Amino acid sequence: NAGVTQTPKFQVLKTGQSMTLQCAQDMNHNSMYWYRQDPGMGLRLIYYSASEGTTDKGEVPNGYNVSRLNKREFSLRLESAAPSQTSVYFCASSGQGATGELFFGEGSRLTVL
Amino acid sequence: AQRVTQPEKLLSVFKGAPVELKCNYSYSGSPELFWYVQYSRQRLQLLLRHISRESIKGFTADLNKGETSFHLKKPFAQEEDSAMYYCALKRSGNTPLVFGKGTRLSVIA
Repeated sequence: NAGVTQTPKFQVLKTGQSMTLQCAQDMNHNSMYWYRQDPGMGLRLIYYSASEGTTDKGEVPNGYNVSRLNKREFSLRLESAAPSQTSVYFCASSGQGATGELFFGEGSRLTVL
Repeated sequence: AQRVTQPEKLLSVFKGAPVELKCNYSYSGSPELFWYVQYSRQRLQLLLRHISRESIKGFTADLNKGETSFHLKKPFAQEEDSAMYYCALKRSGNTPLVFGKGTRLSVIA
């Protein structure tokens, strides 16, 4: 039981390059989230998916796209990376009943040069 | 709009001293409040939630609706408490958590 798995753990990009962060959960959770963590800014929600087939913008969606591929997988895509997107990205999931308990991945550290 | 404020970016205390990490929120409805913790080289994880009224690792937090606060307290800090702590608010319905900016707790031996 791996919980929430993110790949890659580390990535360095040049400005303008694209990449996709992958996230998968094996807990049969309905809801999945992408957050970014920046010093002094805390955790900010980029996008979330309340259930398979739906996605919604969070606080900081600009420059990102997401795909809820199926119930298990929720990917985050940077189409044209910018230095301002240098951050640590966390995927999380939560189960039925909206209890508020999120289960987080280990994080993906992205550097955009 | 809902907001979670953690006024201290960094809190340093000596081992054995009491700890209080502050959290204030703004939300017009009936909130659910949580504390999440991120230890070094570990995943972010739930520490406690106000509806459970539980003590986890010696930490407690009471929701004070009059002061719109949910401060995290521990009477005697331990070195292993050093971590980043996030306060989070959940609005009614199936809505995502809103996190504060976090407080880094450093317990000095």
